[in-house]
Amino acid sequence: QQQVKQSPQSLIVQKGGISIINCAYENTAFDYFPWYQQFPGKGPALLIAIRPDVSEKKEGRFTISFNKSAKQFSLHIMDSQPGDSATYFCAATTSGSRLTFGEGTQLTVNP
Amino acid sequence: AAGVIQSPRHLIKEKRETATLKCYPIPRHDTVYWYQQGPGQDPQFLISFYEKMQSDKGSIPDRFSAQQFSDYHSELNMSSLELGDSALYFCASSRGHSDQPQHFGDGTRLSIL
Repeated sequence: QQQVKQSPQSLIVQKGGISIINCAYENTAFDYFPWYQQFPGKGPALLIAIRPDVSEKKEGRFTISFNKSAKQFSLHIMDSQPGDSATYFCAATTSGSRLTFGEGTQLTVNP
Repeated sequence: AAGVIQSPRHLIKEKRETATLKCYPIPRHDTVYWYQQGPGQDPQFLISFYEKMQSDKGSIPDRFSAQQFSDYHSELNMSSLELGDSALYFCASSRGHSDQPQHFGDGTRLSIL
């Protein structure tokens, strides 16, 4: 049973467009929600993270929106670039314990 | 900035052999996590250590064991290897046991023939 559900499985966006990836969770004990970016042959790299007391966090072109009542959060990539093409994972954890990942989204940004 | 170092990067073994994967955390990080990632899948948590003590255990087979040493590096020992153990194995580290982000190494790709 996937505790963190992620969609879409794959996403194709034109350069300059907005990429949106959504995640939903069940466990209300989760208190930290990071997003990771993974390139082939590399480990997941932390992009941005949010805690449930904040509804939105922005870092450069990356924004997390968090809806605590709906138990959903999403990643928005503004002005998407071909270099953003990678697999993106949302994750959730309780007090810094094990990360529970979503299934991943393979993003392709066409030039 | 220093990152998490994993060795070896690639490892090829045969069934029933043993393997040892090593992880060197970011300096001053005292918590280490191990994850397994199958092809096209998300990473699955195996085990973690905080200050050299096991802090959490996930879906780690009994054939696997791990420990964290006094210099905070960690080793994942895998015995009686099976074809299904072929995967990427990632180590992540953090400073402290709570509320700190986990930073991942580039993994060890283990192939079982």
